[in-house]
Amino acid sequence: NAGVTQTPKFRILKIGQSMTLQCTQDMNHNYMYWYRQDPGMGLKLIYYSVGAGITDKGEVPNGYNVSRSTTEDFPLRLELAAPSQTSVYFCASRTAGEEAEAFFGQGTRLTVV
Amino acid sequence: DAKTTQPTSMDCAEGRAANLPCNHSTISGNEYVYWYRQIHSQGPQYIIHGLKNNETNEMASLIITEDRKSSTLILPHATLRDTAVYYCIVRSVNFGNEKLTFGTGTRLTIIP
Repeated sequence: NAGVTQTPKFRILKIGQSMTLQCTQDMNHNYMYWYRQDPGMGLKLIYYSVGAGITDKGEVPNGYNVSRSTTEDFPLRLELAAPSQTSVYFCASRTAGEEAEAFFGQGTRLTVV
Repeated sequence: DAKTTQPTSMDCAEGRAANLPCNHSTISGNEYVYWYRQIHSQGPQYIIHGLKNNETNEMASLIITEDRKSSTLILPHATLRDTAVYYCIVRSVNFGNEKLTFGTGTRLTIIP
């Protein structure tokens, strides 16, 4: 059971480039989340999804897009990378159960130069 | 979801109990208290959660005050591997409250 898998683990982008951070979970969880974590700071919610075809903005959605075409996958798209998007990105998932805890991936470290 | 307040950092001697406080004075009746921790730069890991009763599992104990305005996470015998950032989160489990937001947490350092 792999849990939440994020790819790639590391990436360096040039300003203005685009990329997609992949997140997949094999636990059949309805809810999925994307966070970013800047050095020495807590996690900020970017986008989340409560099921296939449904997404919603979190605290810091500007500069990002998401889609949820399947239960398993929740990719995060950066269209025009900026240095301010240099961060570690975490994906998480949980069931729709009332008290369900969230499971996190190991993160993607992104540097925009 | 209610906001939480935690100390920025704490130290604890190895083998002693680590007591991490969290203030959530605006918590409402249907909001649970959750604790997660993040070791180094790994993804956060769930520890424990509770509504109003004290809870214990193999990792930790959670003590919630009677008025539910604060709670304490207890690691009974801290080891060096417990050095991490600990996040206290208050979350409603009602439908329509699917967000899961984190604060800045407490950086716990276990001293040998």
